Amino acid sequence: DAGVTQSPTHLIKTRGQQVTLRCSPISGHKSVSWYQQVLGQGPQFIFQYYEKEERGRGNFPDRFSARQFPNYSSELNVNALLLGDSALYLCASSLSGQITYEQYFGPGTRLTVT
Amino acid sequence: AQSVTQLDSQVPVFEEAPVELRCNYSSSVSVYLFWYVQYPNQGLQLLLKYLSGSTLVKGINGFEAEFNKSQTSFHLRKPSVHISDTAEYFCAVSDPNSGYALNFGKGTSLLVTP
Repeated sequence: DAGVTQSPTHLIKTRGQQVTLRCSPISGHKSVSWYQQVLGQGPQFIFQYYEKEERGRGNFPDRFSARQFPNYSSELNVNALLLGDSALYLCASSLSGQITYEQYFGPGTRLTVT
Repeated sequence: AQSVTQLDSQVPVFEEAPVELRCNYSSSVSVYLFWYVQYPNQGLQLLLKYLSGSTLVKGINGFEAEFNKSQTSFHLRKPSVHISDTAEYFCAVSDPNSGYALNFGKGTSLLVTP
C-alpha cells in the first residue's frame, strides 16, 4: 500500500510569493494534519482536517490556510512568504481525527524562501 | 499548552551499547506520550506510545519507554543499539482533551559508531 505522498519534494520561492503544498493520505484515512519543521527543531502543529472540516489550528498567522477535498487529499497554502517560512512541511494522515490513532507521516516538502 | 523537553541534543554511543534518550513533559494532568524517529530525508515514524495502562511501553525495533508520572518523564531506552539506529528522535505529548495535535520536543540526535 502506498504511504502518505507529498508534492512537490522541494520548492524555492521568493519573499512575498505564495505557495501551495499538496498531500495525499493513505487510502481509507480521513484525517490530515500539517506540521512545520524548521531546521534543527521539532515539528510544530499547523492544522488538522477531518472529514473536510478544520478540527484544530496551531499558533500560526492567517497567512497559513488549508483545505481538505472530498477524496481526503489536502492542500496547505502560505501567502506573503517570509524568510522564516523556510522549513520542511510534513503531512500526516490517520484513520480518525483522534490522536490515539497512529499518524503516518509523509516525507515532507522542503520549502526554501529567498 | 503542554510541552516536552528533550534533555540531550546529541547522544553519541558505540554499537551494541545501551542507550537512553531522556524526555520530560510539563503537565501533571493526563497526557498521551509518543516517541518518533526520523531518518535522514524522511518523515517521522512512530516508535511507541503511551495512552494509559502499563507504564512500560514496548515499541518497534527493540525500543521501550517508561512512563513515570511522579517525575513527569518518558525516557526511551534500547539495550543494544545498531549502526542503523542513527537518526533523530522526537518525544511528543498530546492533551487527551483536545486530542488532535502533537507537541514535539526539539529532538535528540543519536549517533551510533562502530
